[in-house]
Parts: sequence; C-alpha cells; structure tokens
Amino acid sequence: KAGVTQTPRYLIKTRGQQVTLSCSPISGHRSVSWYQQTPGQGLQFLFEYFSETQRNKGNFPGRFSGRQFSNSRSEMNVSTLELGDSALYLCASSFTGESYDEQYFGPGTRLTVT
Amino acid sequence: DAKTTQPPSMDCAEGRAANLPCNHSTISGNEYVYWYRQIHSQGPQYIIHGLKNNETNEMASLIITEDRKSSTLILPHATLRDTAVYYCIAVTYSGAGSYQLTFGKGTKLSVIP
Repeated sequence: KAGVTQTPRYLIKTRGQQVTLSCSPISGHRSVSWYQQTPGQGLQFLFEYFSETQRNKGNFPGRFSGRQFSNSRSEMNVSTLELGDSALYLCASSFTGESYDEQYFGPGTRLTVT
Repeated sequence: DAKTTQPPSMDCAEGRAANLPCNHSTISGNEYVYWYRQIHSQGPQYIIHGLKNNETNEMASLIITEDRKSSTLILPHATLRDTAVYYCIAVTYSGAGSYQLTFGKGTKLSVIP
C-alpha cells in the first residue's frame, strides 16, 4: 500500500499571502489529521477530519482551516500568512473513525514564510 | 488536562536497552499514552500505546506505573537506527470520537556504537 503523500514538499510564501497544502491518505483510511511542527513549539495538533467533517480541533486561530473530500483526501489552508507560520506541516491518516487511533504520517510540507 | 514532560535528550549504548521516561502526573482515567518517534526529515512513526496495563509489541515495551503518573518506553536492544526523537502523547477522550492531544517536547535518543 502506498503511504500518506503530501504535496508540495517545499513551499516559500510571502507574509500576507495564503497557502493550500494537500494530503492523500492511505487507501481505506477515513480519518485525516494535520499537525504543525516548529523548533520552538514542537508538535501541535491542528485538526482532524472524518467523513468530510471536522471532528477535532486544536488551539489554532481561524486562519487555519481545512476540508476533506469524499475520497478522504484533505487540504489545509492558511490565510494571511505570518512569519510564525513557517513550519513543517504534517498530515496523518488512520483507519478507524471511532476515536484517536494509530496515526500514519506523511513526510510533511516545509512552509517558509518570508 | 494531562501534561506530558520528557527529558530533552538521552544516550544509549548500541545493544543495550533504551529506557525513555515520560511524566504525565495529571493524567486522568480516560487518557491513553501514545508513543511515536521521528527520524530526521521523516514523519513520526507510531510505536505503541497503553492505558494502564503494560504493553509489548515487536518494536518496544511500554511500562505504565500503577498510579499512571508516568510511563517508560523500552527499546530492548537499541540499534543505531533507533536514533530519533521520541514523543510521548496523552490522548484525552471526551466521547463521540472527540479527543484532545497533549504532546511532550520529545526526547532525542542517540544510540552510541
């Protein structure tokens, strides 16, 4: 089975712009989660989607949003980029939808905001 | 809510057991402890999880104290490929698929030849 894929792998944006990141989960996985990783804050949970609905959410401002499509693929959008949004954005998928389960992570998208 | 604390770094000799601690002193009855590791430039990899009983799989063992305030991840025979950052995560369930995640800052394990 193919693993979780994320596109693009690297991205450079200017402050004030918006960005959309894409994630394709492992085939058959219905839950997709997004995480932000920075040297200062470490790993932080953004949100989780299951059956096209946001089911869980971390403590991030509304500039961070996402969606999930009927094929379980997911996108994450960040509007009005700030320098502090520079980070590795990780997507993870899991099979069951009942609760938090073993997550399979993608390689991440490295976003640099200048 | 649980708070997880991990030492920032540890060394372990190759072939010896690596014992990575995690303190979750505020954990409550419905909070699981999950462990992941992240090798440089890759996404995290699931290792093991538990609630209150000790757990073992092909990768590692997880020992949870009786009061559930701390846990230890054990890699029984560390190899150079186990060099990574290890994360302890407390998962708090609140019903109907809802949960909250509390991440530790991670322990950088260096396996020394």
